[in-house]
Amino acid sequence: DADVTQTPRNRITKTGKRIMLECSQTKGHDRMYWYRQDPGLGLRLIYYSFDVKDINKGEISDGYSVSRQAQAKFSLSLESAIPNQTALYFCATSDPGRRQPQHFGDGTRLSIL
Amino acid sequence: SQQGEEDPQALSIQEGENATMNCSYKTSINNLQWYRQNSGRGLVHLILIRSNEREKHSGRLRVTLDTSKKSSSLLITASRAADTASYFCATDSGSGGGADGLTFGKGTHLIIQP
Repeated sequence: DADVTQTPRNRITKTGKRIMLECSQTKGHDRMYWYRQDPGLGLRLIYYSFDVKDINKGEISDGYSVSRQAQAKFSLSLESAIPNQTALYFCATSDPGRRQPQHFGDGTRLSIL
Repeated sequence: SQQGEEDPQALSIQEGENATMNCSYKTSINNLQWYRQNSGRGLVHLILIRSNEREKHSGRLRVTLDTSKKSSSLLITASRAADTASYFCATDSGSGGGADGLTFGKGTHLIIQP
């Protein structure tokens, strides 16, 4: 089983719909992150969480919200999806401290029509 | 905003040759990391080099860091078909031990021709 699991893997939905992407991890890491990847733009940070009681905005948080339900679970919501949120979304985890690599899930491909 | 910028955007070489990718960044960093992404998969961490290090090796990978030029290079020696992937540099500039998340470049797409 994967250490960082994202569901769903693919989702097609319509403009205005509320969408939740879920991430769960078995690595026991405190820190979790949500990124989006667009062609030619690399990855950009949406939100990150140090622990269950800590949520921080990243570079591009507008239009998104998150919930850290437990140490192992971090979900990303699009309250009212719009077409320019069509992208590949990645969840990642890491241990605290500097020099810690991040561990990524396999992504959710989201298309908003 | 993008911190790292990889060069070239795409690279195609023959199996067995060496592949070199470069990364430039804009602000001071705590460390710089390289990741690989296979098609349809998440990123996989390859190697991390600290800001006070100049060179690091891991298997067929060699990473250099020049903080005066704000640049890094990733060398893959004796390339294999399985090395075909996109490679990203990522910088950790946060004051909170990386808690701000990494800032990724746009990636280099490497194709190894058999």
